[in-house]
Amino acid sequence: DQQVKQNSPSLSVQEGRISILNCDYTNSMFDYFLWYKKYPAEGPTFLISISSIKDKNEDGRFTVFLNKSAKHLSLHIVPSQPGDSAVYFCAASVWRDDKIIFGKGTRLHILP
Amino acid sequence: DTGVSQDPRHKITKRGQNVTFRCDPISEHNRLYWYRQTLGQGPEFLTYFQNEAQLEKSRLLSDRFSAERPKGSFSTLEIQRTEQGDSAMYLCASSLGSVGTEAFFGQGTRLTVV
Repeated sequence: DQQVKQNSPSLSVQEGRISILNCDYTNSMFDYFLWYKKYPAEGPTFLISISSIKDKNEDGRFTVFLNKSAKHLSLHIVPSQPGDSAVYFCAASVWRDDKIIFGKGTRLHILP
Repeated sequence: DTGVSQDPRHKITKRGQNVTFRCDPISEHNRLYWYRQTLGQGPEFLTYFQNEAQLEKSRLLSDRFSAERPKGSFSTLEIQRTEQGDSAMYLCASSLGSVGTEAFFGQGTRLTVV
């Protein structure tokens, strides 16, 4: 069963506009959430994270929002840049368990 | 370079052969993870270590798979009697292991079983 779901396999956004990537989860025990970015032929690179005690975390152009009641989180990238074109993975973990569970990813295309 | 290092980057093997991959984590990280990624999927958890102790193995890890982390430093993942379904990218990651810390990934080993 897929505990972390990214329902959009791909997303195209104009350069300079906002990119919004969505993620849903089913395990209410998850208390730490992460976003990773992956380029072809490379391992995933950590981007930003959020603890379940927060509802927003911001780092430069990247902001992650967490809605615990809806079991939903989103990653906002603004403004979008060509180098943001990559696959983005949503991931989550449980404190005591600590292994990280990944979604299937969303491929983001930034259009010139 | 002090990141996570994996060797080899690519491995092509015949069905039925054994293969072994190596991962060198970031030196101060005590937690080490193995993941597998196939086309169109996210990384799937296989197993992880806290220092030299293997804490959990996924149901994905059949008896043909074994992982070790002697002395809590580098780790090896061995696949015996490889099958075509084992073809995938094998990713290693490490972390400090405390609550709320992210894992850092290596570049992966791409295995092709022919």
